[in-house]
Amino acid sequence: KQEVTQIPAALSVPEGENLVLNCSFTDSAIYNLQWFRQDPGKGLTSLLLIQSSQREQTSGRLNASLDKSSGRSTLYIAASQPGDSATYLCAVIQTGANNLFFGTGTRLTVIP
Amino acid sequence: DAEITQSPRHKITETGRQVTLACHQTWNHNNMFWYRQDLGHGLRLIHYSYGVHDTNKGEVSDGYSVSRSNTEDLPLTLESAASSQTSVYFCASSEQARNSPLHFGNGTRLTVT
Repeated sequence: KQEVTQIPAALSVPEGENLVLNCSFTDSAIYNLQWFRQDPGKGLTSLLLIQSSQREQTSGRLNASLDKSSGRSTLYIAASQPGDSATYLCAVIQTGANNLFFGTGTRLTVIP
Repeated sequence: DAEITQSPRHKITETGRQVTLACHQTWNHNNMFWYRQDLGHGLRLIHYSYGVHDTNKGEVSDGYSVSRSNTEDLPLTLESAASSQTSVYFCASSEQARNSPLHFGNGTRLTVT
């Protein structure tokens, strides 16, 4: 069974820092990987979707990379802002399956 | 703007009662999903549907059922609520089954006493 791990579970950084969030998965036969953001008491918002054939995707200050062979993805956030404070989750769809397997998330706090 | 609306936002019920959580989307997506979120487990798939009259079991479907009578709605029913079903429930939809982002509702917090 696919397992998705996100370490650390929580991270605090001062405003303005660049930071990297990590995601690892046990089965490299994936169709795609998605990064989501979740604010307290809210649902998830999709940030980036990377196809298995892609190495990275960018949206504004966010850049997600994928190394399928090693089972790793990173989410890079440039010039962090207090508004970036949220929980970030990654999820993968395995080849031949239709449901997402989610990690438990990294709770990010950006300190003004 | 298109959205997914879940109701109620909070629900307290007693063990053994039947409970239905509503999910309504205006994206006109064929694909709809129900997840539960628990500390330490992340989000786990309960049921999903790829279109009207189509329903499928997910990873943790025991004790839950869904029905899809139109494109917009996928209600989730707990047949006989158990304390283990205390959780936050999220409904989601997507344009394509695998290759497009998921759009989530704001969740329903269910407490079974």
